[in-house]
This record gives sequence, structure tokens and C-alpha cells, in this order.
Amino acid sequence: DIQMTQSPSSLPASVGDRVTITCRASQTVSIFLNWYQQKPGKAPNLLIHTASSLQSGVPSRFSGSGSGTDFTLTISSLQPEDFATYYCQQSYSTPLTFGQGTKVEIK
Amino acid sequence: QVTLKESGPAVVKPTETLTLTCTVSGFSLSSGRMGVTWIRQPPGKALEWLAHIVMDDAKSYSPSLKNRLTISKDTSRSQVVLTMTNVDPVDTATYYCARIGSHTITTYTPIDFWGQGTLVTVSS
Repeated sequence: DIQMTQSPSSLPASVGDRVTITCRASQTVSIFLNWYQQKPGKAPNLLIHTASSLQSGVPSRFSGSGSGTDFTLTISSLQPEDFATYYCQQSYSTPLTFGQGTKVEIK
Repeated sequence: QVTLKESGPAVVKPTETLTLTCTVSGFSLSSGRMGVTWIRQPPGKALEWLAHIVMDDAKSYSPSLKNRLTISKDTSRSQVVLTMTNVDPVDTATYYCARIGSHTITTYTPIDFWGQGTLVTVSS
């Protein structure tokens, strides 16, 4: 199985901050890495697919980069609605696996 | 407009079999590369992939749960069914069905549409 490790697990931040979340795979996933945002009581929402492609309808302040084993999700200027938990997920091979999540919290 | 909706029991007793149904609309289960995946999330914990069925009838299961899971589809009803045998309190979670596709023989599309989820509690 490919293990996905996110860091940090918790990220205190303020509105307007630039925020970066890291995801590392235990072996290469090429560019088959996706990012999701989840708010309490809601289903996850796809933000970024294939490492750096912005999903339709997602604000341009979200961006993704990386390939192989190391990936980042960046929020250029944190907005109030961005306080949530973020998950990475590899779609390179089964079993599909998720990171443990990064909770972006109000500082 | 793509939608998915989960249905099933809210409470299941230990050792029983859990049956969850996902009813889809806006895409076809009988043609193309798209299909349905099941993912669960215990309260306060991370997402866990369980199984998927894509393309004609290609199925894949989580290795840790493979012996307990069965996924199937009824294209005439636009439904995908997941059964989990011998449930335990650790199986208490919100269960999501979502749309996924086969990108190549080994890679998959992102999970782009999700159901609202259904909370299943395993308790006697």
C-alpha cells in the first residue's frame, strides 16, 4: 500500500496568511495526487487534481504542485471560508489512500 | 447534474451484515469509464477508502476489509450496493459513496462528486 503522510496535522493561521500543506507518498504516485477540503458535517470537496490542476469552480487562491512523492497545497491568501480540514489522496494505484488530514484553524 | 445519495440503516448490531445503497444520477453506470467508490470516516478521524466498481464491472477492495466487503451494481436502477459482513463497533462511521473513474488500467480519476454521507452506528 502507498502511505500518504501530511504535515502539519494542525495549522493555526489568520485571514490573509499564505498557507502551505505538505503531502508525502511512501512511493511514487507520479502526478496522481488530489486534494480535498472538508468542512464539519459535510462531504469532502475536490480542490486540486493530478497534482496541480484546479477543479472547476474552485477559487484561484488554491494551487497545488509536486510530482513523484512530494506535493504541496498552497492557499495564497486565507479567507474565512477556508478554515477546514484538507486531505491529500493518491489515485495512482489501489488501494487508494488518503493522508491523515491537516486542520487549518483560526490562530 | 451529477448526484449520488446513500441509503441504509442508521444502526446495525454487532456481527450483523450492513447493506448500503448508492443511487446515482447524471452519469451512466453501464457505459464509459466512470463508476462508484465507497469511502468511510469514523467520527473525528480521517477518510478511508473501502471499495470501488468502475468501467464494465471492475471491482477493487481495501485489503484490510476485502474478506468482509462486496460491491455490486444494478444499472437498471442506477444503484451501487456495498455489503459489509460481521460488523463491529469500530465500523461506526459516516459512509460516503462518490463518483470515480478508471484513467488507465491502474490509475484512477479524482473523486469529483460525493454523496452527503450516511452515519452508521454499530451498537447492540
